Amino acid sequence: AQSVTQLGSHVSVSEGALVLLRCNYSSSVPPYLFWYVQYPNQGLQLLLKYTSAATLVKGINGFEAEFKKSETSFHLTKPSAHMSDAAEYFCAVSDYGGSQGNLIFGKGTKLSVKP
Amino acid sequence: NAGVTQTPKFQVLKTGQSMTLQCAQDMNHNSMYWYRQDPGMGLRLIYYSASEGTTDKGEVPNGYNVSRLNKREFSLRLESAAPSQTSVYFCASSARDRETQYFGPGTRLLVL
Repeated sequence: AQSVTQLGSHVSVSEGALVLLRCNYSSSVPPYLFWYVQYPNQGLQLLLKYTSAATLVKGINGFEAEFKKSETSFHLTKPSAHMSDAAEYFCAVSDYGGSQGNLIFGKGTKLSVKP
Repeated sequence: NAGVTQTPKFQVLKTGQSMTLQCAQDMNHNSMYWYRQDPGMGLRLIYYSASEGTTDKGEVPNGYNVSRLNKREFSLRLESAAPSQTSVYFCASSARDRETQYFGPGTRLLVL
């Protein structure tokens, strides 16, 4: 069965610093991987997705993620944090366990950005 | 093009009351989903519908029923609400399996 682990429920960075949000997955087949962002009192919005093309995936708002099969990781990075990046971030993996391509979500990482 | 819409935005129920959460999408998507979000738990799938006329249970279906009314609409019903169902409920849709899911703004439900 597929699963997702996000390391760190809360990450705090200073404005202008590197953002690194960690995601490890478990999947017996080549996965589709996603990062979503949720701003306060809103729904989830897709940041980027990996679907077995390039291993380095670029998303919106300057975020990118690198698929590393050997490490079963799909960490999210942004070179320079902005105050507007403060939100909760969810990593997700496509589910092949008979549920027709649903997504399995991690528990989320809340990003705080200090001025 | 509104994407995914949900009604109501906020609801307070008493234990034992029933209600239906409505969801509609205008993207001609085949698949639709209902999730609940609780602090520290991420999103958990309640029910999904891979296509019009089909529905299947997700991770936490107990206490809920769904109806895929047509391709656009997918409703979630609580027959007898319990405090444990206090949560934020999200509807989502995708063109097909393994495709990006698009989320609605959510319904905040408080069961007293």
